[in-house]
Amino acid sequence: AQSVTQLGSHVSVSEGALVLLRCNYSSSVPPYLFWYVQYPNQGLQLLLKYTSAATLVKGINGFEAEFKKSETSFHLTKPSAHMSDAAEYFCAVTTGNTDKLIFGTGTRLQVFP
Amino acid sequence: NAGVTQTPKFQVLKTGQSMTLQCAQDMNHEYMSWYRQDPGMGLRLIHYSVGAGITDQGEVPNGYNVSRSTTEDFPLRLLSAAPSQTSVYFCASSYGRGYYGYTFGSGTRLTVV
Repeated sequence: AQSVTQLGSHVSVSEGALVLLRCNYSSSVPPYLFWYVQYPNQGLQLLLKYTSAATLVKGINGFEAEFKKSETSFHLTKPSAHMSDAAEYFCAVTTGNTDKLIFGTGTRLQVFP
Repeated sequence: NAGVTQTPKFQVLKTGQSMTLQCAQDMNHEYMSWYRQDPGMGLRLIHYSVGAGITDQGEVPNGYNVSRSTTEDFPLRLLSAAPSQTSVYFCASSYGRGYYGYTFGSGTRLTVV
């Protein structure tokens, strides 16, 4: 079965600082990996996805993530945080042989001025 | 193009009452899923469907029923509401398995008293 682990339920950064949100996955077959963002009182919005085409994936709002098979990781980064990035971020995994999309427990990002 | 529409947005139930959370999508997606979101637990899969007439259980199916009579609709039924079912419920749909990703509705906030 597939699973994801998000390290750190809360991350705080200053505006302009690097954002790094960690996600490690477990899968016995090649995974498809996703990052979703949830702004307060809203649904989830897809930030980016890894589908095996390229290991470095660029998403919306300046975010990117790198798939590292050797580390079973798919960390989300942004070079310079903006106040509007404050939200909850979810990593998710699925594979080609399952119908389920499984989520991590989420990381809440706070951005201080 | 409305995407995924959930109704109602808010609901308060008394313990033991039953109700149906509605979900409809207009993207001709085959895959639909229901998740519940609880603080610190991320999104957990309740039930999912890979097409009309086909449903299956997710991680936390107890206390919930689903059916899929049409491609567009995937209602979630609470048979006898319990306080433990107080949560935010999200419906999501996808074109298919794997790398397509899911589109989420805006959620239903349910309180059981």
